[in-house]
Amino acid sequence: DIQMTQSPASLSASVGETVTITCRASENIYSYLAWYQQKQGKSPQLLVYNAKTLAEGVPSRFSGSGSGTQFSLKINSLQPEDFGSYYCQHHYGTPYTFGGGTKLEIK
Amino acid sequence: EVQLVESGGGLVKPGGSLKLSCAASGFTFSSYAMSWVRQTPEKRLEWVATISSGGSYTYYPDSVKGRFTISRDNAKNTLYLQMSSLRSEDTAMYYCARWLLSYAMDYWGQGTSVTVSS
Repeated sequence: DIQMTQSPASLSASVGETVTITCRASENIYSYLAWYQQKQGKSPQLLVYNAKTLAEGVPSRFSGSGSGTQFSLKINSLQPEDFGSYYCQHHYGTPYTFGGGTKLEIK
Repeated sequence: EVQLVESGGGLVKPGGSLKLSCAASGFTFSSYAMSWVRQTPEKRLEWVATISSGGSYTYYPDSVKGRFTISRDNAKNTLYLQMSSLRSEDTAMYYCARWLLSYAMDYWGQGTSVTVSS
């Protein structure tokens, strides 16, 4: 199975800052990577798929990059509604696996 | 508006069975592959099952294969997950989710909680 490793596990930042979350795959997954945001008590929401394609309605301050085994999610100019948890997930065949998550908190 | 509403969760003893349902609305259900994903109490997300749009193809991870069965009724716009031989490690919030082609899961329900405990 492909293992997905996210870093950092937690991150503290202020409104207006720029943050980057990384995700590493245990083998080449080309660009078959998605990012999800989950707010407290809510279900995950798709942010990015195919490594860099923003899902419908996702603000342009979010951007995804990477291919192969190294990926990143960048959030420019953090807004209050951006705080929560973020998960990567590969969609390069089954079993689909998720990263352990990154909890983004307000500093 | 796309809506996915799960139901059927609850408390069940180890070795027991439970059937989850997911009622879909706001889109052409029969055109989309669907999945179940669970989130453990430690907040880890785990893919549980996927079914093709017509229901002919199903996929499972080894952790649930042979114990869980995903199915769908396209006439009723409903997705199901039959769970048997339940274990404590199956305790989680279970979400149904729609696939955006083969790329990612673009809509998720609010979840239904399953607790396996004696």
